[in-house]
Amino acid sequence: DQQVKQNSPSLSVQEGRISILNCDYTNSMFDYFLWYKKYPAEGPTFLISISSIKDKNEDGRFTVFLNKSAKHLSLHIVPSQPGDSAVYFCAASGFYGGSQGNLIFGKGTKLSVKP
Amino acid sequence: NAGVTQTPKFRVLKTGQSMTLLCAQDMNHEYMYWYRQDPGMGLRLIHYSVGEGTTAKGEVPDGYNVSRLKKQNFLLGLESAAPSQTSVYFCASTDPGTVNQPQHFGDGTRLSIL
Repeated sequence: DQQVKQNSPSLSVQEGRISILNCDYTNSMFDYFLWYKKYPAEGPTFLISISSIKDKNEDGRFTVFLNKSAKHLSLHIVPSQPGDSAVYFCAASGFYGGSQGNLIFGKGTKLSVKP
Repeated sequence: NAGVTQTPKFRVLKTGQSMTLLCAQDMNHEYMYWYRQDPGMGLRLIHYSVGEGTTAKGEVPDGYNVSRLKKQNFLLGLESAAPSQTSVYFCASTDPGTVNQPQHFGDGTRLSIL
């Protein structure tokens, strides 16, 4: 059973517009959430994170929103640029049981930004 | 600063052969991880280590073994490779410290088992 779900396998947006990537989770013990960006033939690169004590975190063009009651987070990219075209992974962690804060990843959303 | 380096980048094996994937990090991180990524799937944790000399099982540990003899290195072994182990393998490291820290990933090893 997937604990972290990214229900949109792909997303296409026009350059300059907003990209919104969504992520849902099921485990209420998760308290830290991250977004990673991955280009082909490269490893995932950390993009932005948010702790469960916050509902928003912003870094330049990237903003992550967390809705704990809905167990939902989203990544907003404004404005979108062609170089943002990549696969975006949502990940979650929490110190419960023997997890040691291990990350649980979603399946990813492939973002294409068209010039 | 190399970060996390994985060796080799590509490998083709025959069923039943063995091999070891090497991960090296130069950030003095305590925690290290091995993941596999399959098409249409997220990254799944195979094994991890929270310090030199310690290892633990992740979500999909069967068919793999690991060792962390030195803090900077984390080895992933396949004793008898199977076609189901065809995948891209990623190593990561982090230092938990007092606040959440992201994991830093290598560029992966693409492994094909024929």
